[in-house]
Amino acid sequence: QKEVEQNSGPLSVPEGAIASLNCTYSDRVSQSFFWYRQYSGKSPELIMSIYSNGDKEDGRFTAQLNKASQYVSLLIRDSQPSDSATYLCAVSPNAGKSTFGDGTTLTVKP
Amino acid sequence: DAGITQSPRHKVTETGTPVTLRCHQTENHRYMYWYRQDPGHGLRLIHYSYGVKDTDKGEVSDGYSVSRSKTEDFLLTLESATSSQTSVYFCAIRSILAGHNEQFFGPGTRLTVL
Repeated sequence: QKEVEQNSGPLSVPEGAIASLNCTYSDRVSQSFFWYRQYSGKSPELIMSIYSNGDKEDGRFTAQLNKASQYVSLLIRDSQPSDSATYLCAVSPNAGKSTFGDGTTLTVKP
Repeated sequence: DAGITQSPRHKVTETGTPVTLRCHQTENHRYMYWYRQDPGHGLRLIHYSYGVKDTDKGEVSDGYSVSRSKTEDFLLTLESATSSQTSVYFCAIRSILAGHNEQFFGPGTRLTVL
């Protein structure tokens, strides 16, 4: 079992819809959780961080964390074609390192 | 962009040759990381540094060495490159201001080993 697993893609949604990206992790001591967006040929860009159970909203993005279920998700509301990218989930026990999932590729169709 | 540069940005080399990739940062971050990214494998940690001359191995460190003689520079060396080391290499820093291991990435180096 991988330490960080993301829902297999690719994921395709129509413009204006909600895109839901999911991530599960195996290390119960994990304390910090991150979502990165990576456009093709570019480097990963941090878009959301979450540290406590519950929801965290930032514009059209909402991160959800459930430590009991070892689950973190990212919702993108009103999806736009510019949201088309690969989304990477990362988990950290706060020991200086993070473990990344393999990513989910999202395509938003106009 | 967290003031991170990587050089070279692209390199083609032959099997058995040594290769050194450089990561340079301008903001005095303590933690620096080297990852490789391959299709189907996401980002995998090669080595990281938590200060000058302080380094540790990641999950895929075999065949790689690192050095950090100055805060601003973190070097990744492939002593004898192999075709399996063809990849995109990303350097990252940890922002101490964030306090929760938020990492920010450089632009990447695409390495091809023939």
